[in-house]
Amino acid sequence: GAVVSQHPSWVICKSGTSVKIECRSLDFQATTMFWYRQFPKQSLMLMATSNEGSKATYEQGVEKDKFLINHASLTLSTLTVTSAHPEDSSFYICSARDTSIKQYFGPGTRLTVT
Amino acid sequence: SQKIEQNSEALNIQEGKTATLTCNYTNYSPAYLQWYRQDPGRGPVFLLLIRENEKEKRKERLKVTFDTTLKQSLFHITASQPADSATYLCALDPTTSGTYKYIFGTGTRLKVLA
Repeated sequence: GAVVSQHPSWVICKSGTSVKIECRSLDFQATTMFWYRQFPKQSLMLMATSNEGSKATYEQGVEKDKFLINHASLTLSTLTVTSAHPEDSSFYICSARDTSIKQYFGPGTRLTVT
Repeated sequence: SQKIEQNSEALNIQEGKTATLTCNYTNYSPAYLQWYRQDPGRGPVFLLLIRENEKEKRKERLKVTFDTTLKQSLFHITASQPADSATYLCALDPTTSGTYKYIFGTGTRLKVLA
């Protein structure tokens, strides 16, 4: 149980385009979903927190107009990187929390902007 | 500054030995602390959670201790195997109110040599 999926697992896009990443909790309803970013050989950095039906809360330094988050249902959250640039290339990981304190992480999405 | 440090970036040990990883934090008073395993190109996988009132937690070959006075957690893998090779991350919720916005440590890359 407690499986979180992400789609796509990797994506390459051209600079200036937008890309959407989906995060789904497959066998539980997620009270809250989180989006993290991880650069090579670095730890995970929390970008934003989203609750179903409400606006996402962004961490300091994260541009909310650039990283659009939509939490459409209790099992789906999406992250859209708008007008992507090479510096947005990173590993994006989502996590989902049920009613407990544990978070379950997705497998990650590797974004490369050329 | 508030941060979480893990003792070393990389740790090599011989198969069969016990690996001990350290997680030190400053300026937090977390109610619990978690350990995750992350393989290259994958999201973190939950291993163990230990609460502030628990001194020790075990799961199969894994053991975690939590010393709130020293602000330190130790993670042990006994009878280590090459399959245990991965990056291990500690994480905590820095708030006592439970926002579930985890802060992750820098990670320790463990390599178990056959």
